[in-house]
Amino acid sequence: AQSVTQLDSQVPVFEEAPVELRCNYSSSVSVYLFWYVQYPNQGLQLLLKYLSGSTLVESINGFEAEFNKSQTSFHLRKPSVHISDTAEYFCAVSPSGTYKYIFGTGTRLKVLA
Amino acid sequence: GAGVSQTPSNKVTEKGKYVELRCDPISGHTALYWYRQSLGQGPEFLIYFQGTGAADDSGLPNDRFFAVRPEGSVSTLKIQRTERGDSAVYLCASSRDRGRTEAFFGQGTRLTVV
Repeated sequence: AQSVTQLDSQVPVFEEAPVELRCNYSSSVSVYLFWYVQYPNQGLQLLLKYLSGSTLVESINGFEAEFNKSQTSFHLRKPSVHISDTAEYFCAVSPSGTYKYIFGTGTRLKVLA
Repeated sequence: GAGVSQTPSNKVTEKGKYVELRCDPISGHTALYWYRQSLGQGPEFLIYFQGTGAADDSGLPNDRFFAVRPEGSVSTLKIQRTERGDSAVYLCASSRDRGRTEAFFGQGTRLTVV
């Protein structure tokens, strides 16, 4: 079975400061890894994903995440956040080649002016 | 359509009643998923359809929950004899196929059982 842990339920950060949202997973099989973002009153949107290849993946809006197999982590980082990044962020895994997402409990990022 | 559409967006029902929640996936997407998100939790997998058939319904909590996708497009999640513990946001997602492709989520149906 797989599980995902997001240790931080809320992360307040000032605008233009860096941020890291932590995600750790456990799995006995190889997995795909995802970060989804949910803006207020909107559905979940894929932010970035790791399927294979380079362990560092990037999104179009400046976020990046690095797959660390030895530490079973997939932390999300952004060097400088904007007010518009305020949202809830969910880490998810799925066993490679399958469709079942196992989500973490989410981290609410609040960017302060 | 442009995205995954779920109706209604909100549903309030009395304990013991029957409810249906509808999902219109993105046109051409063969894979469809239902998830349930309780307050303060991440979404939990309920059921997966590939085409018309339920390929995996292992996440359905009990036999009060049932889902169909008769023509391989629209899906309906049906809950019988609703209980207060069924209150949650029910999310639908679709993807072109299983596995490597992105799943697109709808905005969900917020079900409140009173």
